Amino acid sequence: AQSVTQPDIHITVSEGASLELRCNYSYGATPYLFWYVQSPGQGLQLLLKYFSGDTLVQGIKGFEAEFKRSQSSFNLRKPSVHWSDAAEYFCAVGPSNDYKLSFGAGTTVTVRA
Amino acid sequence: DAGVIQSPRHEVTEMGQEVTLRCKPISGHNSLFWYRQTMMRGLELLIYFNNNVPIDDSGMPEDRFSAKMPNASFSTLKIQPSEPRDSAVYFCASTYSPGTTSFGQGTRLTVV
Repeated sequence: AQSVTQPDIHITVSEGASLELRCNYSYGATPYLFWYVQSPGQGLQLLLKYFSGDTLVQGIKGFEAEFKRSQSSFNLRKPSVHWSDAAEYFCAVGPSNDYKLSFGAGTTVTVRA
Repeated sequence: DAGVIQSPRHEVTEMGQEVTLRCKPISGHNSLFWYRQTMMRGLELLIYFNNNVPIDDSGMPEDRFSAKMPNASFSTLKIQPSEPRDSAVYFCASTYSPGTTSFGQGTRLTVV
């Protein structure tokens, strides 16, 4: 069975500071990995995805994530956060032969001025 | 492309009433999902359709919940009778291949 763990429920970061959100997954084969962002009252928007190839993937809004197979991790990073990055972030895993996604519990990011 | 369209955006109903949530997937997407989001349980997959056929409904909580997809452009999620513990945000999502899943803005259901 596939599962995702996001160890941090809530992170507070200063505007302009760097941000890293952790994600660990459990899956028997090579997974498809995703990061989604949810702003208040909105649906989920895809930030980036990893299927294969280069383990460092670039996404929208200046985010990047690195796939580390040895650590079963897919951490999300942003070098300098903006107040508009305050949102909830979800890591998700899915099999390559199916469309079902399993989501982590989410990490809420608060940006202070 | 208007994206995945859900209606209503907000629904308040009394316990015991029937509730119907609606979803219009993105044209050309052949898979549709219904998710439920709560503080306690996070995002849960309720049911998944492929080419209008239910593939996996193992996440549907109980018989009070039912979902249909009569054609490629419309799906409903019905709760009858509704209970306060059904209060949540319900998301519809559609896709045509892994990594292309698009989510609607959700329906916030409150059962009082």
